[in-house]
Amino acid sequence: AQSVTQLDSQVPVFEEAPVELRCNYSSSVSVYLFWYVQYPNQGLQLLLKYLSGSTLVKGINGFEAEFNKSQTSFHLRKPSVHISDTAEYFCAVTPTSGTYKYIFGTGTRLKVLA
Amino acid sequence: DSGVTQTPKHLITATGQRVTLRCSPRSGDLSVYWYQQSLDQGLQFLIQYYNGEERAKGNILERFSAQQFPDLHSELNLSSLELGDSALYFCASSEMERSGNTIYFGEGSWLTVV
Repeated sequence: AQSVTQLDSQVPVFEEAPVELRCNYSSSVSVYLFWYVQYPNQGLQLLLKYLSGSTLVKGINGFEAEFNKSQTSFHLRKPSVHISDTAEYFCAVTPTSGTYKYIFGTGTRLKVLA
Repeated sequence: DSGVTQTPKHLITATGQRVTLRCSPRSGDLSVYWYQQSLDQGLQFLIQYYNGEERAKGNILERFSAQQFPDLHSELNLSSLELGDSALYFCASSEMERSGNTIYFGEGSWLTVV
């Protein structure tokens, strides 16, 4: 079975400051990793995903994430946040084979302050 | 707009009642997922269908059932509703039954049980 831990339920940060949202996962098999964003009153949309290759993945809106297999982490970063980045961010994993369940973390609410 | 359509957007019903939530996947997507999002439990995977067949089951209660029809739309039936079933129910879809596919979320159906 797989599980995803997002330790920070809320992260306040000032505008134009850098931010890191943490994601750790547990799995006995290889996984693919995803970050999704949910803006208020909307569904989730994909920010980026890691399937293979370079461990540094770039996504939309200036976000990037780094896959660290030894630390089973997939932290999301942005060097300079904007007010419009205020949203809830979800990390998710799915096994590379055998099942197609996408398991999500509990989410991190990013609040960008002016 | 993800292309996934969910109806109704909002629904208020009484305890003990039964409701049906409807989902139309993106054009061409064969796989449909249902998720429940509540404040205390985050985003919980309920069930997945692929081309009409159930493929994976998560934390779906026995009072809940789902199906995917030949035209690929899906319905989630919730019966004997309890106050704790109040949540945002998401449908998501993906093109194929292949791990690593991006899944696209609808905007959700807000269910309030009173």
